[in-house]
Amino acid sequence: GENVEQHPSTLSVQEGDSAVIKCTYSDSASNYFPWYKQELGKRPQLIIDIRSNVGEKKDQRIAVTLNKTAKHFSLHITETQPEDSAVYFCAASRSYQKVTFGTGTKLQVIP
Amino acid sequence: KAGVTQTPRYLIKTRGQQVTLSCSPISGHRSVSWYQQTPGQGLQFLFEYFSETQRNKGNFPGRFSGRQFSNSRSEMNVSTLELGDSALYLCASKTQGDDTGELFFGEGSRLTVL
Repeated sequence: GENVEQHPSTLSVQEGDSAVIKCTYSDSASNYFPWYKQELGKRPQLIIDIRSNVGEKKDQRIAVTLNKTAKHFSLHITETQPEDSAVYFCAASRSYQKVTFGTGTKLQVIP
Repeated sequence: KAGVTQTPRYLIKTRGQQVTLSCSPISGHRSVSWYQQTPGQGLQFLFEYFSETQRNKGNFPGRFSGRQFSNSRSEMNVSTLELGDSALYLCASKTQGDDTGELFFGEGSRLTVL
């Protein structure tokens, strides 16, 4: 089955700096890669996703890149703000299969 | 449109007991997945139900079971509780035709086993 590894497990950045979280997956058939943000005490929520026919996707300050050959994808957050502090989860899946999550990255943005 | 609703939100059980958790998906969503969340382990997949049938299953022991009703509401049951079952149990729904796509999570049921 699919296995998703996520690094780093914790990340501290100064407000205004960029943050990068990296994930690798094992199943070359996976074709959907979402990222979820979970604020303290709240439910995970989708912030951005990418499909395997696209190499990069951007939404304001966040972007995701996908390298199918290397089987890794990354989340980039620019101009970080204190409200970006949360746990971020990457995930991978393919049609009609379960969504497999990484172990999460706790991002702390220091004002 | 109401979000995903999970009940109960908090519960405390003792070892050996059993527990049933309930999840009501967003109206129109026919897929319901369950995840166990523990510190450091992320979101571990338990099972997914679609149209009352278990479509996918994770690597959990048989003490963990689930079902889905005709109105798409789902329940999961854990029998013979162990201390290690203490966790936040999250359910998530997604739309019928969206075989891959956004998962909408509930707020979770926090289970403490003493």
